[in-house]
Amino acid sequence: AQTVTQSQPEMSVQEAETVTLSCTYDTSESDYYLFWYKQPPSRQMILVIRQEAYKQQNATENRFSVNFQKAAKSFSLKISDSQLGDAAMYFCAYYPSYGKLTFGQGTILTVHP
Amino acid sequence: DTGVSQNPRHKITKRGQNVTFRCDPISEHNRLYWYRQTLGQGPEFLTYFQNEAQLEKSRLLSDRFSAERPKGSFSTLEIQRTEQGDSAMYLCASSPNLLASLSTDTQYFGPGTRLTVL
Repeated sequence: AQTVTQSQPEMSVQEAETVTLSCTYDTSESDYYLFWYKQPPSRQMILVIRQEAYKQQNATENRFSVNFQKAAKSFSLKISDSQLGDAAMYFCAYYPSYGKLTFGQGTILTVHP
Repeated sequence: DTGVSQNPRHKITKRGQNVTFRCDPISEHNRLYWYRQTLGQGPEFLTYFQNEAQLEKSRLLSDRFSAERPKGSFSTLEIQRTEQGDSAMYLCASSPNLLASLSTDTQYFGPGTRLTVL
């Protein structure tokens, strides 16, 4: 069974600084997708970024980028120029090209002004 | 495109009562998913549909839970004889199935229905 592990229950960052959230996963599949979702307090889950496993190039979306290490089964999220609105619970998720997303336990990100 | 909608947003019920939640996916999304999220945890998969066919059910989905998507559009999730352990946020997501051979796609989530069982 696939598992996703986020080893940082909480992280904090100063506004305008950079922070990296960690995620590791376990799978025997070769084709899959990885996602980072953001869930602000009492608000709905929002997609931040996605990565296709067959692509070697790391995905980037504005201030958000990933470091995808397929052999190490690692998928970290870097947030540059952190903003107060980035404060949320961040979930790493694995998708094996069919069916369900498997989520990690989440990392609470606090942004200090 | 108004996104995935879920109703009701909040539901308080007494133990033993039945409850039903509705999810309206993004228009033309043919895949629809149900997840359950307890406080401080990541969502856990319950079941998913492709059009009207229910393709997978989690072991979390006991016989008290039933989900339907009769016309391949909206879906309902019913919980019979609710228990306090059913208290959670129930999330719905939808995704397009662009190509049969590349069935991976992004799931877009609704705001959820928060269930409290007293």
